[in-house]
Amino acid sequence: NFMLTQPHSVSESPGKTVTISCTASDGSIASNYVQWYQQRPGCAPTTVIYEDNQRPSGVPDRFSGSIDGSSNSASLTISGLQTEDEADYYCQSYDSRIHVEVFGGGTKLTVL
Amino acid sequence: QVTLKESGPALVKPTQTLTLTCTLSGLSLSTSEVRVKWIRQPPGKALEWLARVDWDGDTFYGPSLKTRLTISKDTSGNQVALTMTNMGPSDTAKYYCAAAVTNGMVYWGLGTLVTVSS
Repeated sequence: NFMLTQPHSVSESPGKTVTISCTASDGSIASNYVQWYQQRPGCAPTTVIYEDNQRPSGVPDRFSGSIDGSSNSASLTISGLQTEDEADYYCQSYDSRIHVEVFGGGTKLTVL
Repeated sequence: QVTLKESGPALVKPTQTLTLTCTLSGLSLSTSEVRVKWIRQPPGKALEWLARVDWDGDTFYGPSLKTRLTISKDTSGNQVALTMTNMGPSDTAKYYCAAAVTNGMVYWGLGTLVTVSS
């Protein structure tokens, strides 16, 4: 089965830059778009990146998304970390072989 | 402004059938490339994709729950429904609907908590 693997947790200091990876188990990560969702404690998820690297209006440009074919992974990079960025982050893509959407297991970002 | 609102029972008994409704505003289900999905999240756990219905009526289901799920849309009412049969305690979760629109952006509802208990 197609799976997306994320680190369980990452931590970094305010003002620094952090990158969260999302690695596809098989196929090509570039074959289907990747989305990234932010979920603050007790809240619903919101979209911070869609279609690999598109940022919704209202999401700061400190958030960026990219795809790396060589590692078959997607990445979410957050620069200038702020305490409000502390949240769970999920990547999501699509297994076109069986028409199923797949989420990564989520990464807990701690800004300390 | 696109908004989605989930509604349904907060409590269901084991073996019962759950029916949830997602009501969309600011977005028409008949618009090309609109896809509405249901996702759930058990307490303290990760998001799990359940099902999707597209603007053209095509439906898709997650393999693990496929036999228990039905997703449908009411274009005139701008609503999407999800039914899940034979509910059990492990189905206790926050259920979210989300909509992907033509430009790829994904909008989320606030979710509705469903507890399965006798």
